[in-house]
Amino acid sequence: DAGVTQSPTHLIKTRGQQVTLRCSPISGHKSVSWYQQVLGQGPQFIFQYYEKEERGRGNFPDRFSARQFPNYSSELNVNALLLGDSALYLCASSLRSLPNEQFFGPGTRLTVL
Amino acid sequence: QQQVKQSPQSLIVQKGGIPIINCAYENTAFDYFPWYQQFPGKGPALLIAIRPDVSEKKEGRFTISFNKSAKQFSLHIMDSQPGDSATYFCAAVESLSGSARQLTFGSGTQLTVLP
Repeated sequence: DAGVTQSPTHLIKTRGQQVTLRCSPISGHKSVSWYQQVLGQGPQFIFQYYEKEERGRGNFPDRFSARQFPNYSSELNVNALLLGDSALYLCASSLRSLPNEQFFGPGTRLTVL
Repeated sequence: QQQVKQSPQSLIVQKGGIPIINCAYENTAFDYFPWYQQFPGKGPALLIAIRPDVSEKKEGRFTISFNKSAKQFSLHIMDSQPGDSATYFCAAVESLSGSARQLTFGSGTQLTVLP
């Protein structure tokens, strides 16, 4: 059975551009969460969606937005990219909205030049 | 503001040694404390977790010790193996408004187990 999948694997953008990252949860999982992991640090919570509704939001600017589709896949959008947005973006899925049941994908490595 | 403080940043032990990774927190709203293991190029994977009403939990070679009064918890890896070389993160979970639950990670410990 496939785990959490994310695309693309790597992405290079320039400052000011916009980026969309995609996540497909484990089959049957209805919750998706997004995390930002800067090199050498732990993941930081960005958003959680459950049953297509936003259930939680971390301390990130409004440039960050996300949505969950009827098939429970999700997109994370980041507008007006800054150099500091360079990070590994992780998606995690769970059956319910409980973070202690989350399974993480391999992440998308975003580099902003 | 770092809500979960983790130390050391890196750790090197010989095969068979017992690495210990420590974490501390201030937020008393945290009510669940998982540990994650992350290999290069992979996302974090849940290793073991504990609730604050338990002082110790063992799963295989991994043990969590929890001191609620000191707001500290630690991970011990018994009989460590080179395959345990990875980055380890402690984390803490709290309830937000509504039914949301948020996971907060420590800064990570890069463990190297020498053969």
